[in-house]
Amino acid sequence: AQSVAQPEDQVNVAEGNPLTVKCTYSVSGNPYLFWYVQYPNRGLQFLLKYITGDNLVKGSYGFEAEFNKSQTSFHLKKPSALVSDSALYFCAVRGSSGGSYIPTFGRGTSLIVHP
Amino acid sequence: DAGVIQSPRHEVTEMGQEVTLRCKPISGHNSLFWYRQTMMRGLELLIYFNNNVPIDDSGMPEDRFSAKMPNASFSTLKIQPSEPRDSAVYFCASTLTGGTEAFFGQGTRLTVV
Repeated sequence: AQSVAQPEDQVNVAEGNPLTVKCTYSVSGNPYLFWYVQYPNRGLQFLLKYITGDNLVKGSYGFEAEFNKSQTSFHLKKPSALVSDSALYFCAVRGSSGGSYIPTFGRGTSLIVHP
Repeated sequence: DAGVIQSPRHEVTEMGQEVTLRCKPISGHNSLFWYRQTMMRGLELLIYFNNNVPIDDSGMPEDRFSAKMPNASFSTLKIQPSEPRDSAVYFCASTLTGGTEAFFGQGTRLTVV
């Protein structure tokens, strides 16, 4: 069975500092990995994905994520945090072969960026 | 495209009443998911449809929950009878089979009193 772990319930960072939100995964075969963001009273919005190719993927709003196959990790990063980045962030994984199209989500990490 | 559309956005009902949540997926998408979000359990998959057929309903909590997809542009999630522990935010998401990311609706916040 596939699974996602987001080890931190909350991450606090000062505005202008770099941020990292951690994610590790487990899946059979090659993974498809995703990050979503959820603002209060809103649905999940897609940020970025890793399918294949370059291990560093870039997404919306200046976010990027690094795929590390040996560590089965897909950490979300941003060089300089903004107060407006404060939100709930979800990592998700699904398999790449037939029959494994259902994405599994982590518990979410609340990012708080302080002015 | 307007994205995934869910209705209603908010629903408050009394215990024992029937509740129906509605979802219109993105046109052309043939996979649809219903998820439930709570503080305690996070985001849980309830059911997955592909080409209007339920493929995986192992996440449906019990017989009080049922879901249908009568055509490619509409799905419902019904709870009958509703209980206070069903209070949660229910999300619908759609994607193309074999495609990659899923697109989420705004959710329905259900409160059962």
